[in-house]
Amino acid sequence: QQPVQSPQAVILREGEDAVINCSSSKALYSVHWYRQKHGEAPVFLMILLKGGEQKGHEKISASFNEKKQQSSLYLTASQLSYSGTYFCGTVGGNKLVFGAGTILRVKS
Amino acid sequence: SQTIHQWPATLVQPVGSPLSLECTVEGTSNPNLYWYRQAAGRGLQLLFYSVGIGQISSEVPQNLSASRPQDRQFILSSKKLLLSDSGFYLCAWSSGPFEAFFGQGTRLTVV
Repeated sequence: QQPVQSPQAVILREGEDAVINCSSSKALYSVHWYRQKHGEAPVFLMILLKGGEQKGHEKISASFNEKKQQSSLYLTASQLSYSGTYFCGTVGGNKLVFGAGTILRVKS
Repeated sequence: SQTIHQWPATLVQPVGSPLSLECTVEGTSNPNLYWYRQAAGRGLQLLFYSVGIGQISSEVPQNLSASRPQDRQFILSSKKLLLSDSGFYLCAWSSGPFEAFFGQGTRLTVV
């Protein structure tokens, strides 16, 4: 079943922070995060494999709450290059499905 | 290092014509392979996935089919395209439940 992402879209000014949430009605064993620029293929950002795990990549980090079946992606001090659509993905039975995506636009 | 090739990059086909999109992966063995479709401004819809040669799981019943004739080759086909088949088709591979890597995609327009 497809995970649910929120918000659907967010507009930021450079330097502002954002949080994107991903939740599932099914038990989550891992959560993937990807970013897609317009007209391009999605690019892997990070994967969280354990409940309570947190990871960071430059100023982008994520957390995974296994009990609540949700994950959040944190973008701090956003840059213009952060603009794009962010997808969370979940794996069940070798099947990788994605949420509907969150459109992030960073303005100067 | 692993690479994934997907072609063609763009395709314009008339309604009712056949389709064949090919995806190959290099540098890994026994990958999980996926086909996704993305309508304009929309999310990634899983169409098919495969965990091994000849093993295809279909997610969306429609006029598309997939085949995996070799370990690192994944083919998406249709006998007769519909207007609704237009979209951005993405092939991806992963090693089990771990991160997926996408090909550059094929932008299909059915006219």
